[in-house]
Amino acid sequence: QQQVKQSPQSLIVQKGGISIINCAYENTAFDYFPWYQQFPGKGPALLIAIRPDVSEKKEGRFTISFNKSAKQFSLHIMDSQPGDSATYFCAARGGSSNTGKLIFGQGTTLQVKP
Amino acid sequence: EAGVVQSPRYKIIEKKQPVAFWCNPISGHNTLYWYLQNLGQGPELLIRYENEEAVDDSQLPKDRFSAERLKGVDSTLKIQPAELGDSAVYLCASSLDPYGNEQFFGPGTRLTVL
Repeated sequence: QQQVKQSPQSLIVQKGGISIINCAYENTAFDYFPWYQQFPGKGPALLIAIRPDVSEKKEGRFTISFNKSAKQFSLHIMDSQPGDSATYFCAARGGSSNTGKLIFGQGTTLQVKP
Repeated sequence: EAGVVQSPRYKIIEKKQPVAFWCNPISGHNTLYWYLQNLGQGPELLIRYENEEAVDDSQLPKDRFSAERLKGVDSTLKIQPAELGDSAVYLCASSLDPYGNEQFFGPGTRLTVL
């Protein structure tokens, strides 16, 4: 119940295309859903985040769509660029009993071809 | 502003040897996290500190792992003795608030146990 399942494991997109990464969770106590971006040899960095009272959040080319009833959320990268090639992790925060604890998905390696 | 600093960046040791990792969080960040990241996986929380206090160490294998944050700033994670399965990247992160809203990660220490 503490898991966050992420798919696909890897993704190849042409420059200018839309990249879509999906995550699903079981624990309804999760109260914060961030996406992190990680480049090789670097630590993850926060990209965008959403709370469950909002269905969509957009920041530049990055959009999170959140479906509370389905317990699913997704990251959409519009106009994907080669510089977006990285590993993306969704995460969920554990709710009031686990304040501050993030559960990460398994990651999606994105390659954007020029 | 300097980010989270970790050292060493790489460490190769023989099994059964001890090893220690050091982390200096972003100035003013009272919350510090140690994560384990296996190859191709998302980070998994080992321990979380609020100032000097370890508030969540439920995932820390206490038979061989220990951590300290004596003055509420720098932290050290130790493994003694190391096992082959400990080969991974050890990430340190810090956040301004205790709720994990935005965690800033260091580059990690890549440990190889031979």
